[in-house]
Amino acid sequence: QKEVEQDPGPLSVPEGAIVSLNCTYSNSAFQYFMWYRQYSRKGPELLMYTYSSGNKEDGRFTAQVDKSSKYISLFIRDSQPSDSATYLCAMSGGTNAGKSTFGDGTTLTVKP
Amino acid sequence: DAGVTQSPTHLIKTRGQQVTLRCSPKSGHDTVSWYQQALGQGPQFIFQYYEEEERQRGNFPDRFSGHQFPNYSSELNVNALLLGDSALYLCASHPQDTGNTIYFGEGSWLTVV
Repeated sequence: QKEVEQDPGPLSVPEGAIVSLNCTYSNSAFQYFMWYRQYSRKGPELLMYTYSSGNKEDGRFTAQVDKSSKYISLFIRDSQPSDSATYLCAMSGGTNAGKSTFGDGTTLTVKP
Repeated sequence: DAGVTQSPTHLIKTRGQQVTLRCSPKSGHDTVSWYQQALGQGPQFIFQYYEEEERQRGNFPDRFSGHQFPNYSSELNVNALLLGDSALYLCASHPQDTGNTIYFGEGSWLTVV
């Protein structure tokens, strides 16, 4: 069983929809939780990171962490076709996120 | 300000050969991590270099080795290539003391035939 599980999708939504992306994990030592966006054949781009439990908002993106349930989410409001990409969750046990454990990604398509 | 740069972008190698991939970190970053991303999977941590030494290592065999130079750039070497080594190899960099904002390069696509 993988330490980080992520719904693979694919997920297809109409433009303007609210998107929910989720990951579960098993390692209680994880303290930092990140979301990356990866366009086809490109390197991952950091979207948001959160420390411990709680919510964090940045524009149309909201990250939620529930450590008691070992469950994290990324919400995208007013989704746009340019949001079409693979979204990766990642976690690390300390301040050194250079060593992170990733999910396998959810592929999202936002249709105009 | 240049971000993380990697070379080569694409390469094809034959089983049993050796390959070297190169990475220049973002300006101001002294720590470099390498990841392997197979098709349809998330990146897997290979190892991390800081102060020219390997600081952490993931679950990869000794065929995978690396080096960091005084200017913080880094190389990933893979010996005795296997078909299963075909993947996108990603380099990520960050300052050692603020490791939660890491920047990835575009990667090097390796195909082993």
